[in-house]
Amino acid sequence: KQEVTQIPAALSVPEGENLVLNCSFTDSAIYNLQWFRQDPGKGLTSLLLIQSSQREQTSGRLNASLDKSSGRSTLYIAASQPGDSATYLCAVYFGNEKLTFGTGTRLTIIP
Amino acid sequence: EAEVAQSPRYKITEKSQAVAFWCDPISGHATLYWYRQILGQGPELLVQFQDESVVDDSQLPKDRFSAERLKGVDSTLKIQPAELGDSAMYLCASSSLTAPGLAGYEQFFGPGTRLTVL
Repeated sequence: KQEVTQIPAALSVPEGENLVLNCSFTDSAIYNLQWFRQDPGKGLTSLLLIQSSQREQTSGRLNASLDKSSGRSTLYIAASQPGDSATYLCAVYFGNEKLTFGTGTRLTIIP
Repeated sequence: EAEVAQSPRYKITEKSQAVAFWCDPISGHATLYWYRQILGQGPELLVQFQDESVVDDSQLPKDRFSAERLKGVDSTLKIQPAELGDSAMYLCASSSLTAPGLAGYEQFFGPGTRLTVL
């Protein structure tokens, strides 16, 4: 079964620190991987999309990397701010065309 | 900036009643998805449309759920009758994916409808 795992489920860090969120997946035959942000009670906001041929993507203070051989992706957030507090979801397109989601990491930035 | 629209944002209903949710995708997006997200979990796909056709409804509980996209633009998801276990966030997404068999197109999500069944 194709699965996406995100550990830890929750993370708290002081404002200003750099941090890394982790995502692992069970099948290296992926099309792409997408990182989302979700605020409480809200929909999902797409942050970054990494195609299977790419190793990383950057947007502002965010950098996402992809290592298909090890089945891992990381989302790096630089100089964290209280506004970054949210749940971050990793989702993978496997060969079956469905976007499979992890359960997310709930991030809290402490002012 | 173009967005996916959903309504209502919140819905409270009693068990055994009928409910309906509406979604308007980003203009020009041929593919539309309905997801259900239970609190603390990631979204799970219920149904995928390519234009007006259903591409995948394998996870849709067809005894009580139905979905349509008659003109290939906006879409309605219906539950009849609602059950307590249907309480969840219902999310609509769209992408510019143009044909089944392709993959990897970025999905854009709407704000969701929070359903509470009493």
